[in-house]
Amino acid sequence: DAGVTQSPTHLIKTRGQQVTLRCSPKSGHDTVSWYQQALGQGPQFIFQYYEEEERQRGNFPDRFSGHQFPNYSSELNVNALLLGDSALYLCASRRRGGGQETQYFGPGTRLLVL
Amino acid sequence: GENVEQHPSTLSVQEGDSAVIKCTYSDSASNYFPWYKQELGKRPQLIIDIRSNVGEKKDQRIAVTLNKTAKHFSLHITETQPEDSAVYFCAAPFNRDDKIIFGKGTRLHILP
Repeated sequence: DAGVTQSPTHLIKTRGQQVTLRCSPKSGHDTVSWYQQALGQGPQFIFQYYEEEERQRGNFPDRFSGHQFPNYSSELNVNALLLGDSALYLCASRRRGGGQETQYFGPGTRLLVL
Repeated sequence: GENVEQHPSTLSVQEGDSAVIKCTYSDSASNYFPWYKQELGKRPQLIIDIRSNVGEKKDQRIAVTLNKTAKHFSLHITETQPEDSAVYFCAAPFNRDDKIIFGKGTRLHILP
């Protein structure tokens, strides 16, 4: 039973470029959330996808967008990269149930913007 | 607003002693409270969680308590060991569980 996987593990981009990060949820999970974790900080909620739609969004600009595919995998896209976008990007998945289901994190993608 | 406050930001305890980390949340509808441990360079790992229908939950040396009236919950680690050194995050859901917000983290140092 595979856990949450993310790709790539590391990425280096320059300012102004665009980046796409990928996430495959844990088997049986249908809800994917994305978080940005800057060095020394807690994970910051970017948005959540369920049934291929964005359900909730944190305080992130429109440069951050996403997508969820029929197989529940998800992508995070960031346009017009800024130096401040350098961070660990974490994907977390859970199964949407009647009550709160446990959320599990992927290993993250470490993005460096130069 | 959507807020999870976590204290302290740094905690040093002697090996074998207990450590306590506290969090408060703002949404009275929140009903699920996970704690994550993150070691350097690794992903956050769930270590324990509690749901609002119970006041305390234990798992070996780790326990979590919840006070829904006061909207706070705490992580207790007893008989601390060197491998407990890490950053610990509390979290709580908002907007009917669709958004899980994290505290800023507590860096726990276990001193020899």
